[in-house]
Amino acid sequence: AQSVTQLGSHVSVSEGALVLLRCNYSSSVPPYLFWYVQYPNQGLQLLLKYTSAATLVKGINGFEAEFKKSETSFHLTKPSAHMSDAAEYFCAVRSRGSNYKLTFGKGTLLTVNP
Amino acid sequence: GAVVSQHPSWVICKSGTSVKIECRSLDFQATTMFWYRQFPKQSLMLMATSNEGSKATYEQGVEKDKFLINHASLTLSTLTVTSAHPEDSSFYICSASEGRQTYGYTFGSGTRLTVV
Repeated sequence: AQSVTQLGSHVSVSEGALVLLRCNYSSSVPPYLFWYVQYPNQGLQLLLKYTSAATLVKGINGFEAEFKKSETSFHLTKPSAHMSDAAEYFCAVRSRGSNYKLTFGKGTLLTVNP
Repeated sequence: GAVVSQHPSWVICKSGTSVKIECRSLDFQATTMFWYRQFPKQSLMLMATSNEGSKATYEQGVEKDKFLINHASLTLSTLTVTSAHPEDSSFYICSASEGRQTYGYTFGSGTRLTVV
C-alpha cells in the first residue's frame, strides 16, 4: 500500500528565506507524486507533479521539487518565500497500478514572517 | 486550464434535513470524480470514488446510505448528506479526473457544511 509522510506539521520561515517542505513516500514502484496548496476555506491547487519525466520538476509560483528514488523523497522548495506563500501544503501519491486514487499526507502549514 | 465548480460554498442546515452538494467540470469530461471530507487542520479523507453511469465506490467506514453520490453525467456529480447531524459538519471537497491515463486531478473550491 502506498503512503505519504510529511515531516513537520508546521514550518515557519522569514520572508525571503528558503522554503523546504519535506515529503517521503512509500510505494512498491515509483509512483506519481503531487504537491498541492490550500488556502483557508478553499479547495486544492496543483503546484507541480512528477510523472516519470525529469526528476526535477518546476511548478507554479516559483516552487520546484526533486524526485529522489534512492531516498523515496519528493521535497518541495522555493528559493525565496513570499508572504502570499503562507498556506497549507499537501504532498500526494498515486499508484501506477489500476488504483488511481490519491493518498495525501497530513499537510504542512507554512507561515511566513515579515 | 481545467475548472471544477462546486456549489454551494457554504451551507447551514437543521439537524435531520438533507443537503445536496454539486460538483461540475466546466471544460472537460470528468470520467471519475472523488469526494473528500476534511476536518479542521487535518488532511483530506477520501469518502468515495464515482465513475459516470456507475455506482460509487465507498471507502471503508463511510456510510453509503448517509452520503449519497450520483454521477449521472460526465460533467456533474452530486453528494447528498441525508438526515444530517452536527457530527456531519465538515468541509467537503470534490475532485475530478479525465481518466486513468491522465495525471490531472482538478479540485473544487469546497463546501463548508454546518449542521445545527
